[in-house]
Amino acid sequence: NAGVMQNPRHLVRRRGQEARLRCSPMKGHSHVYWYRQLPEEGLKFMVYLQKENIIDESGMPKERFSAEFPKEGPSILRIQQVVRGDSAAYFCASSPNLIELFFGSGTQLSVL
Amino acid sequence: AQSVTQLDSQVPVFEEAPVELRCNYSSSVSVYLFWYVQYPNQGLQLLLKYLSGSTLVKGINGFEAEFNKSQTSFHLRKPSVHISDTAEYFCAVSARAGNKLTFGGGTRVLVKP
Repeated sequence: NAGVMQNPRHLVRRRGQEARLRCSPMKGHSHVYWYRQLPEEGLKFMVYLQKENIIDESGMPKERFSAEFPKEGPSILRIQQVVRGDSAAYFCASSPNLIELFFGSGTQLSVL
Repeated sequence: AQSVTQLDSQVPVFEEAPVELRCNYSSSVSVYLFWYVQYPNQGLQLLLKYLSGSTLVKGINGFEAEFNKSQTSFHLRKPSVHISDTAEYFCAVSARAGNKLTFGGGTRVLVKP
C-alpha cells in the first residue's frame, strides 16, 4: 500500500504566479488534510476535505488560497498570486478514521 | 480549541544516554495525543499515540510516552538514544469529537557521539 503521495517535491514560483500542489491519499482513505510548516515553526492546520466537500477550512487564509478534493483524482491546494511569505513546506495527510493521520513527504514551495 | 506546548525547542544528548521530551496540552474536551518524528527533509512519521486505556504507551524505535491527565502532559522518553534519533519531534493533540491535529512547536533532538 503506497503512502501519501505529494508532488511536486519542490516548486519554485516567482511572485504573482500560481502554485498548484497535489496530494494523493493512501488507498482507502477518504479524509485529506493540508498543513503548512513555516521555517522554525510547527505545522499549522489549513483545511480538511472529504471527497467533493470542504469540511473545515478554518486555517486557510481568506484570500488567494483554495483547496479541492474531487471525486476522481488527487486533492489540490492552489495558491494564486504567490508572495514571498507563502514560502513554506506544505504537507498533506490522509486518514482512514479521523483519528490517525498519515503524512506525505511534503512540497517545498519557494517564492522568488 | 486545543493548544500544545513543547517546553524545549532543542535537546542535545549524548549517544546511549536517556532523553525526555516534554509536552503539555490544554483542552476543554477529551483528547487523543500523538508524537510524530520528522527526519530532515522528510514528512512526519507517527511514533506513538494515546487513544484510551493504559496511560503508558509504547511506540516504534524504543520510544514510550506517559499520559498524565491531572498534569495535562504527554512526555516522550527513550532510555538510550542512537545517532539515528537525531530529528525533530512533534507532540500533537486532537479532540475526540474533532477531526484535525494541533501541533506543538517541535523539539529538535541532536544526538552527539
